[in-house]
Amino acid sequence: GAVVSQHPSRVICKSGTSVKIECRSLDFQATTMFWYRQFPKQSLMLMATSNEGSKATYEQGVEKDKFLINHASLTLSTLTVTSAHPEDSSFYICSAVYNEQFFGPGTRLTVL
Amino acid sequence: GESVGLHLPTLSVQEGDNSIINCAYSNSASDYFIWYKQESGKGPQFIIDIRSNMDKRQGQRVTVLLNKTVKHLSLQIAATQPGDSAVYFCAERPPPNTGKLIFGQGTTLQVKP
Repeated sequence: GAVVSQHPSRVICKSGTSVKIECRSLDFQATTMFWYRQFPKQSLMLMATSNEGSKATYEQGVEKDKFLINHASLTLSTLTVTSAHPEDSSFYICSAVYNEQFFGPGTRLTVL
Repeated sequence: GESVGLHLPTLSVQEGDNSIINCAYSNSASDYFIWYKQESGKGPQFIIDIRSNMDKRQGQRVTVLLNKTVKHLSLQIAATQPGDSAVYFCAERPPPNTGKLIFGQGTTLQVKP
């Protein structure tokens, strides 16, 4: 099956710093990737749709200036959490579309 | 996001029993539904899917039932095993078809040996 990777798998940062999370499709090209956020004991919440070569589409309530998405190639999308605060601590999951959505393993972000 | 941020209900079953996990979806025009399994600290893993023109689909040890009248999905797992312990989510694909999925609440399945 298609494989999606995320890097890093976990990151701890200080409040006010920015963190970049990478999502890669390893054995296929994906014009569309999605970013989700998942708080403990809760469901996945779609944050944005990332389209290669164009601006991301953000879901209602998601701050586009805080969560910067770049989909510069058909195998890589990045999510940058700018000026992170403790309330941004969460599990961030990406998916890449190849007929269906294939999910990455997630990135655990902890903001101190 | 559109998913509901509620704490996950738990279903506890004995090893070898059948499990039924239920899900209510939100958009009557959704045309495609998927069940995912998520183990702790990992991303969701595809289990089985069903299109809106069907009401039942079977896989290996799993069956998905779709009731469009009441916007309800269920996942049946036969002969539940300890390795089935995880959180299970349903997801719907609403129109227009952009590939976007909306995840349901989720259910934690605990299998007792």
